[in-house]
Amino acid sequence: DARVTQTPRHKVTEMGQEVTMRCQPILGHNTVFWYRQTMMQGLELLAYFRNRAPLDDSGMPKDRFSAEMPDATLATLKIQPSEPRDSAVYFCASGRAGPETQYFGPGTRLLVL
Amino acid sequence: DQQVKQNSPSLSVQEGRISILNCDYTNSMFDYFLWYKKYPAEGPTFLISISSIKDKNEDGRFTVFLNKSAKHLSLHIVPSQPGDSAVYFCAASVGIQGAQKLVFGQGTRLTINP
Repeated sequence: DARVTQTPRHKVTEMGQEVTMRCQPILGHNTVFWYRQTMMQGLELLAYFRNRAPLDDSGMPKDRFSAEMPDATLATLKIQPSEPRDSAVYFCASGRAGPETQYFGPGTRLLVL
Repeated sequence: DQQVKQNSPSLSVQEGRISILNCDYTNSMFDYFLWYKKYPAEGPTFLISISSIKDKNEDGRFTVFLNKSAKHLSLHIVPSQPGDSAVYFCAASVGIQGAQKLVFGQGTRLTINP
């Protein structure tokens, strides 16, 4: 049963610290997405990649967020420096051709104090 | 600018009755619409979808209706079961550079009462 995995599942950090979230997409999927869920905004798309190339990261605060895919089995989302307003659940999803094939990971719950 | 809106944050339905979840959108370029279901501490899971060229799609107890002129879609669950209690997200898709970008609504928390 193939799944998207995310680490860590929970992260508590202090304002100003660097946070790195990792995602392992499902083998064979060529599209990877990062989403953020907050109470106010629901699920927001932050960035997405196709064949490891970034297609759109317009949803991300550019000054502090960065997303990369060092290889086909790893996607990372970094926040530096972190701020309390970054507290949210961050989801990674991977997929292939159609929209219904986006499979979500369990999320990383981030709390910035 | 919320392109996909779910105006009801929560909905409570009696077991066995019909649950109707609603969603409105503003962008005419959306070509696919989806519903995702989310349990606590898990990621959203795909439930059902509909192409913009159709007005209805049915899968077991779940039916999605699309009214393009009103830019409105709805998800019907009948009969509702306790296991259907979850947060339901409406999403709309637009193809960009070979990938389908999803825009989500804020979600509706459905509670099925025994």
